[in-house]
Amino acid sequence: GAGVSQSPRYKVTKRGQDVALRCDPISGHVSLYWYRQALGQGPEFLTYFNYEAQQDKSGLPNDRFSAERPEGSISTLTIQRTEQRDSAMYRCASSPQEGVTEAFFGQGTRLTVV
Amino acid sequence: GDSVTQMEGPVTLSEEAFLTINCTYTATGYPSLFWYVQYPGEGLQLLLKATKADDKGSNKGFEATYRKETTSFHLEKGSVQVSDSAVYFCALRLNTGGFKTIFGAGTRLFVKA
Repeated sequence: GAGVSQSPRYKVTKRGQDVALRCDPISGHVSLYWYRQALGQGPEFLTYFNYEAQQDKSGLPNDRFSAERPEGSISTLTIQRTEQRDSAMYRCASSPQEGVTEAFFGQGTRLTVV
Repeated sequence: GDSVTQMEGPVTLSEEAFLTINCTYTATGYPSLFWYVQYPGEGLQLLLKATKADDKGSNKGFEATYRKETTSFHLEKGSVQVSDSAVYFCALRLNTGGFKTIFGAGTRLFVKA
């Protein structure tokens, strides 16, 4: 596609439910990144992939968070047993190659856990 | 650890005023440096970048120079417009061992007509 696409744009879920957030990167981009952005803060790194391989997951806050990119294109970030503190904007970005120039960001998914 | 510190906002200016948003960083090695902008209701967009010391990034009248000696990457614009009202994020990207981007907390800019 023309840009990074994330869905849904908004998600409201009840505490304890699982949620899956989707990212469709720019076509042909090798690297894909997930970030979380709390209100009034900058994006915080969660994890990144090159093709289908998860290269770094050091930013995932705990084992309720996981991500996959099984075919090296679309990625899913899953949060199990959501908690109110998980409420944030979740942003995905992609870049053409590992380590090359900047990353292009999607519009994000606003997650609210009630 | 690696980090970015930028001046707290909000910054409020009148149209045509001079803008400076300070940004300093701490990093191992030689990162690439970026300014991203987030306009109201939109996603993050890259504004400018610099990949090595003394490089100057520029775009839309904004400039920032990669200063290794002061570990700074201050954003400047000579004459701001109302349409520049947005949140500005300074960021660094490590060039080894992960290539993740580390962001500052953001500085909100309001420009009054």
